[in-house]
Amino acid sequence: AQTVTQSQPEMSVQEAETVTLSCTYDTSESDYYLFWYKQPPSRQMILVIRQEAYKQQNATENRFSVNFQKAAKSFSLKISDSQLGDAAMYFCASPRAHTGTASKLTFGTGTRLQVTL
Amino acid sequence: DTEVTQTPKHLVMGMTNKKSLKCEQHMGHRAMYWYKQKAKKPPELMFVYSYEKLSINESVPSRFSPECPNSSLLNLHLHALQPEDSALYLCASSQEPGLAADTQYFGPGTRLTVL
Repeated sequence: AQTVTQSQPEMSVQEAETVTLSCTYDTSESDYYLFWYKQPPSRQMILVIRQEAYKQQNATENRFSVNFQKAAKSFSLKISDSQLGDAAMYFCASPRAHTGTASKLTFGTGTRLQVTL
Repeated sequence: DTEVTQTPKHLVMGMTNKKSLKCEQHMGHRAMYWYKQKAKKPPELMFVYSYEKLSINESVPSRFSPECPNSSLLNLHLHALQPEDSALYLCASSQEPGLAADTQYFGPGTRLTVL
């Protein structure tokens, strides 16, 4: 079974500091991507970053980067220079192909990030 | 442009009402999804339409009825709901269903309250 685990229900970071959110996963797929989504209080799920499992290089999007350890099945998100607008629930997700015509996302339970002054 | 729109933003309905949620995307995506999300929980998949055909139904009660009139539009028809159906309903779309790189983009959601 496909599983995604986020072991940190809540995290807190001071503005301008760096924080790392953890995620581990298990998948039977041979070719897969991994995703981090952000859901602020406004409710919309926003794609933060995605990582292709076959790529050695860790993905980076501005202040957001991942530390992808394929052998350990770990996919952590690093937020640098944290801003108040980064406060949100963060979900790690892994897709599972289904019948070749659609994919199902398996989400972790989420990490609520607080950003303090 | 990765915009998925949903209407209405909020909906309050009684248990005997019939209402519909609407989702629209103009990105040429070939799959569209309905999720239900309870507070402080991850989204739970309900339905997937792939190439305008119902591809996945996660054993959702028949009081929820999805409809995909065309590749850009997805509806969720609601009838005889229960108070426990109160939740945030999220729509998503993706361009390449079934491929490893397929990425889902979400709408802002409809907050549903069933009285």
